[in-house]
Amino acid sequence: EDQVTQSPEALRLQEGESSSLNCSYTVSGLRGLFWYRQDPGKGPEFLFTLYSAGEEKEKERLKATLTKKESFLHITAPKPEDSATYLCAVQASGNQFYFGTGTSLTVIP
Amino acid sequence: DSGVTQTPKHLITATGQRVTLRCSPRSGDLSVYWYQQSLDQGLQFLIQYYNGEERAKGNILERFSAQQFPDLHSELNLSSLELGDSALYFCASSSDEGPYEQYFGPGTRLTVT
Repeated sequence: EDQVTQSPEALRLQEGESSSLNCSYTVSGLRGLFWYRQDPGKGPEFLFTLYSAGEEKEKERLKATLTKKESFLHITAPKPEDSATYLCAVQASGNQFYFGTGTSLTVIP
Repeated sequence: DSGVTQTPKHLITATGQRVTLRCSPRSGDLSVYWYQQSLDQGLQFLIQYYNGEERAKGNILERFSAQQFPDLHSELNLSSLELGDSALYFCASSSDEGPYEQYFGPGTRLTVT
């Protein structure tokens, strides 16, 4: 069964305290893995797409990596404005999309 | 602003009724996706259209249907509504049929009473 599991469910960090979010997946024929950020009451905002194991992408304080079974979103020296829910999604070979339930990140000043 | 528009923003209706949600994709995007987001289940993929044709189907109920019109806007029709259909419904668009990044609209909040 295709599925995506994210951990932890919630994470509280002090400003400047780096950490990583995990996304593990089982999917038949991975076409792509996506990271999104979602603020309360708003639509998800695209962050990264990763296509194959070993691939890495960076944007400001965020860096996403991909292995054959999981992806990590590394947050370096986070700021309060990074507080949001981070969603991981995969696209399977049949073109269906599967989202994890997200990690709610709170960065305390 | 992602460039994806959805109407209405809020919808309150009674059980058994039928509603239509509308989505206009970003200029130039050919793919439209529909998602349901409820508190206990997260984002659930419903269906994808590409240039007017159905491309992929997720966990879409038989009471739900969608279509994409020649001008590329899309509508999601929900019928015989139940209390459990109350959720946020998001539309997203992408430039091709995938796997490309999707740009999400602001959502339609549906409340079934």
